[in-house]
Amino acid sequence: AQTVTQSQPEMSVQEAETVTLSCTYDTSESDYYLFWYKQPPSRQMILVIRQEAYKQQNATENRFSVNFQKAAKSFSLKISDSQLGDAAMYFCACLRAQKLVFGQGTRLTINP
Amino acid sequence: EADIYQTPRYLVIGTGKKITLECSQTMGHDKMYWYQQDPGMELHLIHYSYGVNSTEKGDLSSESTVSRIRTEHFPLTLESARPSHTSQYLCASSEWAGNTEAFFGQGTRLTVV
Repeated sequence: AQTVTQSQPEMSVQEAETVTLSCTYDTSESDYYLFWYKQPPSRQMILVIRQEAYKQQNATENRFSVNFQKAAKSFSLKISDSQLGDAAMYFCACLRAQKLVFGQGTRLTINP
Repeated sequence: EADIYQTPRYLVIGTGKKITLECSQTMGHDKMYWYQQDPGMELHLIHYSYGVNSTEKGDLSSESTVSRIRTEHFPLTLESARPSHTSQYLCASSEWAGNTEAFFGQGTRLTVV
């Protein structure tokens, strides 16, 4: 079975600071894709960043970057210069063999 | 903005009623998904499809059924609603290629009384 685990139900950070959200996954396949999605309060889920498992280089999208450790099956998200608009539920997800499975989510609070 | 739509947004219905939650996308995506989101916000995959006439059960056992007769349409049906079916249901779609993002609808919040 394919599982995705987010061990931090809630995180908080001061505005302009950096925060890292953790994610581990379990799959026996070599071909898979990893994602971080964001679900703001009462709004639609949107993609934050994606990583192909065959790529060693960590993905970066502006203030968002990942630390992909394939051997450890770890896929953490770093948010730099946190902004009030970053407050949301963040979900780690793994796509393998057409199944897109999500972790439990981490609620991120930004303190002004 | 994603072209994927779910109707209704909110539904309150009595126990034993049959309901269908609608999901449509205009992006021509092959893959579509249904998720159940519990109050703790965790997302559980209940059904997915990778094309017309293909449907698969997800990781969470569900009494619902789905169909995929047209590429753009992926309805979810509950033959006899129960209070345990009360939840938020999210529909998503994506292209066939593995690294493409999934686009989500706004969700249907179902309450069975």
